[in-house]
Amino acid sequence: KAGVTQTPRYLIKTRGQQVTLSCSPISGHRSVSWYQQTPGQGLQFLFEYFSETQRNKGNFPGRFSGRQFSNSRSEMNVSTLELGDSALYLCASSFSALTSGSRRETQYFGPGTRLLVL
Amino acid sequence: SQQGEEDPQALSIQEGENATMNCSYKTSINNLQWYRQNSGRGLVHLILIRSNEREKHSGRLRVTLDTSKKSSSLLITASRAADTASYFCATVNTGANSKLTFGKGITLSVRP
Repeated sequence: KAGVTQTPRYLIKTRGQQVTLSCSPISGHRSVSWYQQTPGQGLQFLFEYFSETQRNKGNFPGRFSGRQFSNSRSEMNVSTLELGDSALYLCASSFSALTSGSRRETQYFGPGTRLLVL
Repeated sequence: SQQGEEDPQALSIQEGENATMNCSYKTSINNLQWYRQNSGRGLVHLILIRSNEREKHSGRLRVTLDTSKKSSSLLITASRAADTASYFCATVNTGANSKLTFGKGITLSVRP
C-alpha cells in the first residue's frame, strides 16, 4: 500500500496570508490527524477527523481549521499566518479512530509539510 | 501541553550497546506508543502498548508499561548506527476527547 502523502512538501508564505495543506491517507484508513512540530513546543495535536467529522481539537486558535472529504483525504487551513506558524505540519492516518479499541489505531505519519512564514 | 516526558533528553552510546529510554506521563491512558523520527522527517511508529499490557517485544525493541507509576521504557538492544534518531513517546488518553499527546523526545546517537 502507498503510504500517507502530504502536499506540498515545502511552502514559503508571508505574514497575513493563508495556506492550505493536503493529506492523503493510506487507502482504507478513515481517521486523519494533524500535528504541528516546532523546536520550542515539540509535537502538538491539532485535530482528528474520522468519517468527515472532527472528533477532537487541540489548543490552537480558530485560525487553524480542517476538513475531511468522503474519500478520507483531509485538508488543513491556516488563515492570517503569523511568524510563529512556521513549523513542520504532519498528518497521520489510521484505520480506526483513536481509543476505538479496535486494535487498528496505529497511526502512520506522512513526511510532513515544512511551512516557513516570512 | 506535553503529556509524556522522556528521560534522558539525549543519549549517546556505542554501536552494539543497549539503549534505554524512559517516559513518564500524567493522566489515565488508553495506550502508549513509541515513535522514531529521523532528522525532521515524518514519524515512524515503532510499537504500541495498551494500558492492560505490561510488556511487548518487536524485533530488537522491548517496551514496558507500569500504569501504577505512569511510566514506560523503551529498550533497543544491540544498537546500530542506523538507530540514530529522535524517539518520542506518545499517549492516547481515555475518555471522549481522545488525542495523541507527544513528549519532547529523546535524541539518540549511536557511534559506529
